Amino acid sequence: DIVMTQSPTSMSISVGDRVTMNCKASQNVGSNVDWYQQKTGQSPKLLIYKASNRYTGVPDRFTGSGSGTDFTFTISNMQAEDLAVYYCMQSNSYPPTFGGGTKLELK
Amino acid sequence: AVQLVESGGGLVQPKESLKISCAASGFTFSNAAMYWVRQAPGKGLEWVARIRTKPNNYATYYADSVKGRFTISRDDSKSMVYLQMDNLKTEDTAMYYCTRRDFDYWGQGVMVTVSS
Repeated sequence: DIVMTQSPTSMSISVGDRVTMNCKASQNVGSNVDWYQQKTGQSPKLLIYKASNRYTGVPDRFTGSGSGTDFTFTISNMQAEDLAVYYCMQSNSYPPTFGGGTKLELK
Repeated sequence: AVQLVESGGGLVQPKESLKISCAASGFTFSNAAMYWVRQAPGKGLEWVARIRTKPNNYATYYADSVKGRFTISRDDSKSMVYLQMDNLKTEDTAMYYCTRRDFDYWGQGVMVTVSS
């Protein structure tokens, strides 16, 4: 199975910050990486698909980039409502696998 | 609007069985592969099972951790997907989410607790 390694595991941030997190695949997954947001007590929500495509209705402060084995997810202007755990997922080969998550906390 | 609503969770003892369900609406269910993904308390996400559509012979796929114990099925006439879980283990304790192809919509989840 492809291993998705997310870093960092947590971040202490302030409203207005630029937030960047990474996801590294154990082998080439092309552009087949999605990013999800999961708030406490809620189900995951798709934000970015195919590495860099913003899903319908997702604010443009959320962006994704990368291909191959290295992927980056950025929140350009952190808002309080963005506090959550963010997960990457590869769907290039079965089984689909998720990263361990990056938790955003207020400083 | 697309909706996925899970039901049937609960507390069971190890080695017992449980069947959870997911009711889908708002899209052409018969055209969509469906998945179950789980999340143990305080942990990350783990894909569990997938079922494809009728043109793909309803092919099924499972995570190694549940292969031989779990069975995914669907009823296109009712827009339902199911997960039959047999020989449950304590490590199967998790929130189980139903999601559709592309993982773009997720249900609210149903909690399954396996404990003696």
